[in-house]
Amino acid sequence: GENVEQHPSTLSVQEGDSAVIKCTYSDSASNYFPWYKQELGKRPQLIIDIRSNVGEKKDQRIAVTLNKTAKHFSLHITETQPEDSAVYFCAASKGDSSYKLIFGSGTRLLVRP
Amino acid sequence: NAGVTQTPKFQVLKTGQSMTLQCAQDMNHNSMYWYRQDPGMGLRLIYYSASEGTTDKGEVPNGYNVSRLNKREFSLRLESAAPSQTSVYFCASSAMEKLFFGSGTQLSVL
Repeated sequence: GENVEQHPSTLSVQEGDSAVIKCTYSDSASNYFPWYKQELGKRPQLIIDIRSNVGEKKDQRIAVTLNKTAKHFSLHITETQPEDSAVYFCAASKGDSSYKLIFGSGTRLLVRP
Repeated sequence: NAGVTQTPKFQVLKTGQSMTLQCAQDMNHNSMYWYRQDPGMGLRLIYYSASEGTTDKGEVPNGYNVSRLNKREFSLRLESAAPSQTSVYFCASSAMEKLFFGSGTQLSVL
């Protein structure tokens, strides 16, 4: 089955700096790669996603890149703000009718003011 | 529009006790899921239901059973709780690939 590895497990950056979180996946049939943000005590929420036919997608300060050949994808947050502090999860899916997602282990991002 | 509703929010069990976690969604989604979240291990899929009347095992199904009661409801049962099942449990439903999560159930097994 699919296995998703995520690094780093914790990341501390100064406000205004950029943050990068990386994930690798094992199943070459996976074609959908979302990122979820979970604030303390809250439920995970989708922040951005990318499909295998696209190499990069951007939404304001957040961008995701995908390298299908290497089977890895990354989340980039620019101009970080204290409210970006949260746990971020990457995930992968084959996009079949079950739409089941396999998640990485999470990255705790701390943005220092 | 409540989205995905989970009950209870908190539960403490003794080893060997049984309980059922309830989940309901009002978004008319076909697919529903149960995940558990443990520190440093992310969200691990326990069981999922791609449509009403079907259920399948996920990554960590041992010790759990599920029932897709109808399109709205998907319950998770622990027949004989063990301390290793202490975790936060999230139910989710999906519109295409996008998951909508419930608020979670914090379960402690003593």
